[in-house]
Amino acid sequence: EAGVAQSPRYKIIEKRQSVAFWCNPISGHATLYWYQQILGQGPKLLIQFQNNGVVDDSQLPKDRFSAERLKGVDSTLKIQPAKLEDSAVYLCASSSRTGTTEAFFGQGTRLTVV
Amino acid sequence: GNSVTQMEGPVTLSEEAFLTINCTYTATGYPSLFWYVQYPGEGLQLLLKATKADDKGSNKGFEATYRKETTSFHLEKGSVQVSDSAVYFCALIPYNTDKLIFGTGTRLQVFP
Repeated sequence: EAGVAQSPRYKIIEKRQSVAFWCNPISGHATLYWYQQILGQGPKLLIQFQNNGVVDDSQLPKDRFSAERLKGVDSTLKIQPAKLEDSAVYLCASSSRTGTTEAFFGQGTRLTVV
Repeated sequence: GNSVTQMEGPVTLSEEAFLTINCTYTATGYPSLFWYVQYPGEGLQLLLKATKADDKGSNKGFEATYRKETTSFHLEKGSVQVSDSAVYFCALIPYNTDKLIFGTGTRLQVFP
């Protein structure tokens, strides 16, 4: 079974530029998460989708971050404009519907804003 | 609210030593509890889980018991190996939700 795919693996941009990350979850997984992991910290949930609907985006900085999951499969996360403090690893994960099921993580995209 | 508190690291041990990484949680109802591990250069992967009180999760020699009375889910291993060096994250999913909430992680370093 293929895992969660993310691209790109690494990205370096200047502040005020825009960037987009892509995630392809495990086939059939209805729930998709985007997390931000700043160096030395635990992953922080940015947004959670159930199929193509948003379940929780309470910690998404909506003035600069946006995410979509068209057709309930692939998802993109965008930052525009980027700030220095956005430097982090952005993790995508997916799981089947129930709350006790493990989430499967991609390898993440490491973003450096200079 | 729902949260997870882990002991700060790094935890430094010699090979074959006993490991305990403390984890306590705050949650309403009965959450599901997890330990995830992040090896150097790799993504997060599930190590073990427990879904109800007194359940014991185990995998690769690691164990953790869901203690409702102390709201804890401490990770233990009887004899660590150099290959266990990684960052360990305690996490929970609150009852009746799909929201996975992580602690800050504990780095384990095992020396030969």
